[in-house]
Amino acid sequence: GDSVTQMEGPVTLSEEAFLTINCTYTATGYPSLFWYVQYPGEGLQLLLKATKADDKGSNKGFEATYRKETTSFHLEKGSVQVSDSAVYFCALSDLTNAGKSTFGDGTTLTVKP
Amino acid sequence: ETGVTQSPTHLIKTRGQQVTLRCSSQSGHNTVSWYQQALGQGPQFIFQYYREEENGRGNFPPRFSGLQFPNYSSELNVNALELDDSALYLCASSPTGDSYNEQFFGPGTRLTVL
Repeated sequence: GDSVTQMEGPVTLSEEAFLTINCTYTATGYPSLFWYVQYPGEGLQLLLKATKADDKGSNKGFEATYRKETTSFHLEKGSVQVSDSAVYFCALSDLTNAGKSTFGDGTTLTVKP
Repeated sequence: ETGVTQSPTHLIKTRGQQVTLRCSSQSGHNTVSWYQQALGQGPQFIFQYYREEENGRGNFPPRFSGLQFPNYSSELNVNALELDDSALYLCASSPTGDSYNEQFFGPGTRLTVL
């Protein structure tokens, strides 16, 4: 079945540092890929998405490129801020099972001033 | 445009009891999915409803059941609660059209089973 594997956390960075959170996936079809962010005490918010190979999703300075050859969708940001501290989830949604999103276990990011 | 809302925010139950959680989907969304998020883990798919019919189910026992109403709001019912049912329950609605697989999440209901 479908699965998503994220790099283990937590990740602690200083403000303005470069961020990479790795995500790889396994899917039988041609999934759409997503990054969600969860702030303390809140639900998940869609951060960015990509629906086909080589697509790049971007939002709020975050980027991720859909790499079919390496089955990866790594999240990057050039300069993190304290306000980026949150839990980040990589997820996929497969056309063959459009109702279901499969999530990774999340990576906790803490940015220190 | 009103987002996805869930009620109650928090709930405490004892083992063996039954619970009903509620969700109002975002305006114009006719698909609702429910997820269970245990502490420190990613959300796990419970089931989805589309136009009042169940449209997919994850690996959850039959004591997890749901409903969707004509206004597309939804309920999640859990019978015979177990300690392991303690989690954050998330509802997500999806639009039709090109963004059908994009999910909009509510803030969740925190269920504690004692």
